[in-house]
Amino acid sequence: HEQLVESGGGVVQPGGSLRLSCAASGFNFSAFAMHWVRQAPGKGLEWVALISYHEINKFYTESVRGRFLISKDNSKDTLYLQMNSLRPDDTALYYCARESREGSGMDLWGQGTTVTVSS
Amino acid sequence: SYELTQSPSVSVFPGQTAKITCFGDALPKQYAYWYRKKAGQAPVLIIYKDKERPFGIPERISGSSSGTTVTLTVSGVQPEDEADYYCLSVDHSDTYPVFGGGTKLTVL
Repeated sequence: HEQLVESGGGVVQPGGSLRLSCAASGFNFSAFAMHWVRQAPGKGLEWVALISYHEINKFYTESVRGRFLISKDNSKDTLYLQMNSLRPDDTALYYCARESREGSGMDLWGQGTTVTVSS
Repeated sequence: SYELTQSPSVSVFPGQTAKITCFGDALPKQYAYWYRKKAGQAPVLIIYKDKERPFGIPERISGSSSGTTVTLTVSGVQPEDEADYYCLSVDHSDTYPVFGGGTKLTVL
């Protein structure tokens, strides 16, 4: 059974840091590129970051570039998102998602973890 | 920055056909993907590469592409189709994914 489970969300003050994790199971995690996608309260989906299957290539949406770092540990089947210099507009439900190997879209999603940035 | 434009809402009666459009000037060269998002649930991929259906998605859900516009069609709409629908594609650099703003499908 293929599954992604996010964790690490919480409440943090502006300027603080948080690290999200996404534990994968039921598939060969090392063979897949992975995404982080978020949804702010009352807003739409927003792509945040992408990492290639071999961890070499990393891409970020402009609003988080230089503050967030995506990584994956293929030995632990885990994806991470290190979030620094957090701002109130980073408040959102954060999902991890698998990019299918044939470029056929984000075909597996976790249930999300909530990040609230507030003083 | 690149944008994909969707109408905010579509309303149809059960059994009717709903069409949801997504406009982007890179769409003639880039594939589009569609996701269904229900409240409290994770997004679900329902169309990939403009018109392909993942396993388990019914035939009454289809996608098409024409120039700068892609269209998601839901035929024989059922109450359980009520959800937010998002298109996704990549920008002109072929690198950065972008979601449309989402379309709320209401079943009257």
